[in-house]
Amino acid sequence: DVKVTQSSRYLVKRTGEKVFLECVQDMDHENMFWYRQDPGLGLRLIYFSYDVKMKEKGDIPEGYSVSREKKERFSLILESASTNQTSMYLCASSSPASGQTYNEQFFGPGTRLTVL
Amino acid sequence: AQRVTQPEKLLSVFKGAPVELKCNYSYSGSPELFWYVQYSRQRLQLLLRHISRESIKGFTADLNKGETSFHLKKPFAQEEDSAMYYCALATGGGNKLTFGTGTQLKVEL
Repeated sequence: DVKVTQSSRYLVKRTGEKVFLECVQDMDHENMFWYRQDPGLGLRLIYFSYDVKMKEKGDIPEGYSVSREKKERFSLILESASTNQTSMYLCASSSPASGQTYNEQFFGPGTRLTVL
Repeated sequence: AQRVTQPEKLLSVFKGAPVELKCNYSYSGSPELFWYVQYSRQRLQLLLRHISRESIKGFTADLNKGETSFHLKKPFAQEEDSAMYYCALATGGGNKLTFGTGTQLKVEL
């Protein structure tokens, strides 16, 4: 059974705190992704990574950074949390596209972050 | 730039009625489209993809390049179909997906 796990289901932090969200996958996938999910806005890509120590900005990277030191682990970092970063954060992983065929993304259960 | 549009935030149907969840896309390349579903208190998961051309849980979706649409259909809705549905477009390298804003399907008895 393939698995993507996220370190916390619920997290409450204060404005200005540094926040770490951890994601681990056991499928040996090269690709990993961080999204935030907001009602009415759907899923928006924050950052993604194609390989260890490699990262690329998604559509809404401002206020976030990431780290990928090991293939199975992808961390999302909020350097100084703000109230507008209150959201559900989803991690996903996938194997690389083969030719013209894109592969399924497998999602974690999500972390609901509240910034007070 | 690529875009996925799901015009309905909420779709409410009665059990046994047909369902159609709309999805339109904007992309200059050759599109590959997916439907993902999130049931209550479960993680987001793949429902189906256009390249497979298969029916999953009674749902089908046909890619219409002329109308740039990938609507999700089911002839007879079931209560267990109640969920949030996202249409997604694969773009660029590395499996990057662009998601729509989602449609909450509610099947009423």
